[in-house]
Amino acid sequence: GQSLEQPSEVTAVEGAIVQINCTYQTSGFYGLSWYQQHDGGAPTFLSYNGLDGLEETGRFSSFLSRSDSYGYLLLQELQMKDSASYFCAVRMNTGFQKLVFGTGTRLLVSP
Amino acid sequence: EAQVTQNPRYLITVTGKKLTVTCSQNMNHEYMSWYRQDPGLGLRQIYYSMNVEVTDKGDVPEGYKVSRKEKRNFPLILESPSPNQTSLYFCASSLEGTFNEQFFGPGTRLTVL
Repeated sequence: GQSLEQPSEVTAVEGAIVQINCTYQTSGFYGLSWYQQHDGGAPTFLSYNGLDGLEETGRFSSFLSRSDSYGYLLLQELQMKDSASYFCAVRMNTGFQKLVFGTGTRLLVSP
Repeated sequence: EAQVTQNPRYLITVTGKKLTVTCSQNMNHEYMSWYRQDPGLGLRQIYYSMNVEVTDKGDVPEGYKVSRKEKRNFPLILESPSPNQTSLYFCASSLEGTFNEQFFGPGTRLTVL
């Protein structure tokens, strides 16, 4: 089977840096994605890591360590608009396009 | 405007009454998926399609059917809805596979009484 673990909630203040971790247990693994979802909205894609290392996109970075079955999303210079839920998702190799999402981390950014 | 559309956005129905939720994308994407989102459970993949007439099961396919007769459309069919299918449903499409950037529709909130 497969499972992904994320913290349920993280709080931070504007301007700070926050890291959202994701650990996974799967029988097969191809890569790790991150999505953002504001309340009442649809998920939007943030990043994908297919190989170990850090991927940077503006204020957001994502990291993957396949040997540790672990990844994280790093958000820098936090803004109020970053308050949202963040989901990691694992692409499985059992079923080429199967994607399994974590239960999400709710980020609350305060002034 | 590049987008994924879903209809209806809200639906209240009764147990056993067949329904279809439509999904359409205008980006010429080959890959499309359906997800359901329930509190505390995140998003769970129901079905996905890699191209016209090519579909496969995701994690929670029971009670659902899909079809992909045209590249742009990927309807979700509930032949005999039950209350445990009350959920928020999202359709998504992508150019290079579900691992890459998926574009999500606005969601359909379904209530089965």
